[in-house]
Amino acid sequence: QSVLTQPPSVSAAPGQKVTISCSGSSSNIGNNYVSWYQQLPGTAPKLLIYDNNKRPSGIPDRFSGSKSGTSATLGITGLQTGDEADFYCGTWDSSLSTVVFGGGTKLTVL
Amino acid sequence: EVQLVQSGAEVKKPGESLKISCKGSGYSFGSFASYWIAWVRQMPGKGLEWMGIIYPIDSDTRYSPPFQGQVTISADKSISTAYLQWSSLKASDTAMYYCARRADSGWFFDYWGQGTLVTVSS
Repeated sequence: QSVLTQPPSVSAAPGQKVTISCSGSSSNIGNNYVSWYQQLPGTAPKLLIYDNNKRPSGIPDRFSGSKSGTSATLGITGLQTGDEADFYCGTWDSSLSTVVFGGGTKLTVL
Repeated sequence: EVQLVQSGAEVKKPGESLKISCKGSGYSFGSFASYWIAWVRQMPGKGLEWMGIIYPIDSDTRYSPPFQGQVTISADKSISTAYLQWSSLKASDTAMYYCARRADSGWFFDYWGQGTLVTVSS
């Protein structure tokens, strides 16, 4: 069981918007920055969002991140079929002294 | 361009030893040794699990508790390579293993290797 809780799956139609939640506690999300990773089928994870809401160079602004208290959210607008992937949130856990990830959310673009 | 290139897939029997590698290149600033390199496990059909991390400059290593004593993380800064090794593999070690570079500004990973699939089967 993952320290961070994500919904197993989300779905939406092309062009629509979707959000993926990531719930934690004061020892992780509540007091540390959150990052998000996209894992396309058969490939390695790729950094999508860091420091709660910053995008690395090359990541389109269709992807956004936010954090409130002990929860974080990834938003994706203008969905494309190529966005179908597994998404993971991650952060440092100050109590465990480890990086922790969410269980992952599978995005289906119908 | 920063790249982390991992060694190829392995098929091993239970009880055998194994060492897989992750070679870094293309760093624009500093060197391979000045960035922490982590190892992440992904069991078949499952999520990401952080195993541990090493700072190649001085080989300072931290392990996630479930992996402490189960694996050894090491590095050779002279050849920009990090390693993950097992002394006695179990069937439950079957997984994809990724190395990833920790960004210098926080606990996130900005570059990932392509993964090494380890299959342990009798």
